[in-house]
Amino acid sequence: EDQVTQSPEALRLQEGESSSLNCSYTVSGLRGLFWYRQDPGKGPEFLFTLYSAGEEKEKERLKATLTKKESFLHITAPKPEDSATYLCAVQASGGSYIPTFGRGTSLIVHP
Amino acid sequence: NAGVTQTPKFQVLKTGQSMTLQCAQDMNHEYMSWYRQDPGMGLRLIHYSVGAGITDQGEVPNGYNVSRSTTEDFPLRLLSAAPSQTSVYFCASREVGQETQYFGPGTRLLVL
Repeated sequence: EDQVTQSPEALRLQEGESSSLNCSYTVSGLRGLFWYRQDPGKGPEFLFTLYSAGEEKEKERLKATLTKKESFLHITAPKPEDSATYLCAVQASGGSYIPTFGRGTSLIVHP
Repeated sequence: NAGVTQTPKFQVLKTGQSMTLQCAQDMNHEYMSWYRQDPGMGLRLIHYSVGAGITDQGEVPNGYNVSRSTTEDFPLRLLSAAPSQTSVYFCASREVGQETQYFGPGTRLLVL
């Protein structure tokens, strides 16, 4: 059974204080690992897809990395507008269209 | 482009009532799906469709029906609502072969 565990559940940062969110996963063959951002009362917004260990992707202050067991979402010098819940999901290889989502990390960045 | 739209935004039902949650997309995406999001749990896939006339079950399909008569629309039907179906429902779409999935704004459903 595919599993995704995100940590921490909640994270409070001061503006400019860099940190990382963790997504640990077990999957029978990884087709892709996805990061989403979700603002309160809204649908998730796609951020990144990572396919293989060693891959990295960046978008503004966010950088996602991938190993064979986990992914990190690094947030550099965060701003209050980065406050959101960040979701991680994996999709197994083999043709299944059913992704497995983690519970998310709620990030609050204080000015 | 409006992207993915969902109606209604909020709905209160009594146990046993039926209703249809509407989802539409104007991006000509073949792949559409329905998720539910509950506190303390990750998003869970209910049903999905890879094109008009083709649907399949996700992780939690019981109590829900779907059909896909057009590329644009993918309604979710609750046959006989139960309190366990109280949740926030999200519709999503993407192009087949692409990983970027676009989510709608959600429908908050309360079943009393």
